[in-house]
Formats: sequence, C-alpha cells, structure tokens
Amino acid sequence: DAGVTQSPTHLIKTRGQQVTLRCSPKSGHDTVSWYQQALGQGPQFIFQYYEEEERQRGNFPDRFSGHQFPNYSSELNVNALLLGDSALYLCASSTETGGWTGELFFGEGSRLTVL
Amino acid sequence: GEDVEQSLFLSVREGDSSVINCTYTDSSSTYLYWYKQEPGAGLQLLTYIFSNMDMKQDQRLTVLLNKKDKHLSLRIADTQTGDSAIYFCAEISSNTGKLIFGQGTTLQVKP
Repeated sequence: DAGVTQSPTHLIKTRGQQVTLRCSPKSGHDTVSWYQQALGQGPQFIFQYYEEEERQRGNFPDRFSGHQFPNYSSELNVNALLLGDSALYLCASSTETGGWTGELFFGEGSRLTVL
Repeated sequence: GEDVEQSLFLSVREGDSSVINCTYTDSSSTYLYWYKQEPGAGLQLLTYIFSNMDMKQDQRLTVLLNKKDKHLSLRIADTQTGDSAIYFCAEISSNTGKLIFGQGTTLQVKP
C-alpha cells in the first residue's frame, strides 16, 4: 500500500516564477492538507481540501492556491514566488474524520528553493 | 491565540531515558500529538493523547499531559541511536481543526 507520494522531491525556481506541487494521498484517504516547513521551524498549515473544496485555510496569501481532483489527489500552486517561499512543502492525507482529529499521514515533501 | 513551544535541543546517552517537553496555549484542544521527523523525511505520527487523559503508554513511549499547566511531555525509555530525530509537539485547534506544531526538539543520542 503506497503511502502519501509527492512530486517533485526537489526543485529550484527564481523570484516571480510560479510553481505547482503534486500530492497523491494514501489509499482510502479523501482529505489532503498542505503544510509549509521553513528551515528549522515546525510545519505551518496552508490549507485543507475535502470533496474538492478548500475546507480550512491558514494565514497564507492568495498567491498560494490549491486544487483537489475527483481521485482525491491534490496540487499546491504558488504564484509570484518570493525568496521567503523557500521551504519544504509537506502534503498530509487523512480520512475526513482524521482531518479533524489530526491523524495525518505525511509525504516526504517537496523542497522548493527560490533564487 | 494558538501557540506551541518546545525546547530546541536535547542530548542523551544511548540507553538513557529522554524527556521532551512542550507547552501549548489552546485549552480547548481535544488531541495532542507527537510527530517524529528524520533527516530528509516527512513527519511520522508517533503517538497522541486525548485531552481527558493524563497518561498514555505505548511500548517505549510515555506521554504525560498536565491540562492545568498546558504541559505535554514525551518520555522515550532506553533511547537508541535510531531515535535521533526532530520531535514535534502539536495540538489540534478546536476552532478550525488545523494542526498547530511547535518548532521541534532535536534529539541527539550519543553512543
């Protein structure tokens, strides 16, 4: 049983560019959450998707947007990249209940470097 | 507001017990969690405790919760070199359902 898979694992962009990160949830999970983890910090909640809708959102600007597909996979898009967007982006999947109780399964992340 | 704080670093000898501490602010948190992150990897859920419990034991792991002081601890018995990692304490926001993480405690286990 594949766990949570994310792609790409590493990428480098320049300021002002746009990036799309992808996530496939664990089998049987229908809820996807995205977190940003800056170096030396804990993960910060970006948003959560359930039934193809954004259900919750953290304190991130509109440059951060997402999408969930009918097969429950998800994308995170970041526009107009800033140097401060350099971080490890983690995708976490859960059941709908787990999305409220915090029982999340994390992928290994996509490390984004903005130059 | 919602905030979770942890000490940044802990060093122990192999075979000793490790105790990682955490304080949180949301008194209405229903669940509190410990996650482990190894270098270059995502987060792994280690254990969690429901807010109406004082203690939970799971093999070498013991979680203690003091709701009055909003203090959570993780004790690892017989610490091994493979336990070297960053440990994150987290609470679930009762208002939003989002997970709030501390900044992580780096555990170094010396042979």
